[in-house]
Amino acid sequence: NAGVTQTPKFRVLKTGQSMTLLCAQDMNHEYMYWYRQDPGMGLRLIHYSVGEGTTAKGEVPDGYNVSRLKKQNFLLGLESAAPSQTSVYFCASSAGGEISQPQHFGDGTRLSIL
Amino acid sequence: GQNIDQPTEMTATEGAIVQINCTYQTSGFNGLFWYQQHAGEAPTFLSYNVLDGLEEKGRFSSFLSRSKGYSYLLLKELQMKDSASYLCAVLDSNYQLIWGAGTKLIIKP
Repeated sequence: NAGVTQTPKFRVLKTGQSMTLLCAQDMNHEYMYWYRQDPGMGLRLIHYSVGEGTTAKGEVPDGYNVSRLKKQNFLLGLESAAPSQTSVYFCASSAGGEISQPQHFGDGTRLSIL
Repeated sequence: GQNIDQPTEMTATEGAIVQINCTYQTSGFNGLFWYQQHAGEAPTFLSYNVLDGLEEKGRFSSFLSRSKGYSYLLLKELQMKDSASYLCAVLDSNYQLIWGAGTKLIIKP
C-alpha cells in the first residue's frame, strides 16, 4: 500500500552541488508531477509528465531537469544547487483521463542548500 | 495573472463549524479541488467541484459558484485532528493546478 514514495526524505547540500530526487509510484498512474512548497506560497509546479518518456515544463522549471524513463519513476535533478532552491519538494501522480482525478502525493523531500 | 486567495489562518473550537473561503481568478476553469495537509505531511485529496452547488461528504462539504469565482469548504463537528492546512486549487485551461497558499486551521478544545 505504498502509493507515492520519495527518496531521500531530507538532504543538505552545498551551493553548486548536484543531486537527484527519486519518486516512485505503484498505482500505474500515467501522470506525474514535481512541485516545490515554500512558506506563504502555494505549491508551484516544476515539471510534469503525461506518460513514460515525455516531460514538460511547469511554472518554475529553471535550474531543474527531469526524466521519466519508466512509467513508475519520475526523477528530479538539480544541476547546480543554489540557496533559492531550499524548499520542500513534493512528487505527485494521477491517473489522468478524467480531469476530476485527484493527485496523490508523496511525503516530501526537505532540501536545504547552504 | 492567475490568483487564488484564501485566509492565512483561522481558529475554531472543537465541536463547532468552520467555513474556509477561496476566491480565484484563473485563465479558464476545469474544476476546483480542496486538499488537507497536516504539518510536515503530504497533501491529501478532500473534494472536487466543477458544477455550481454544494457537495457533501460526511463532515466536510464543498461549495462552488463559478460566476463569482468563489468556493468554500465547510467543516462540521470539528475534531482536534482537523487541525491542518486546507489548500484550494483550480484546474486552469491548460489542465494545470493553480494552488492557493493554504489556510492554517487551528482547533481549540
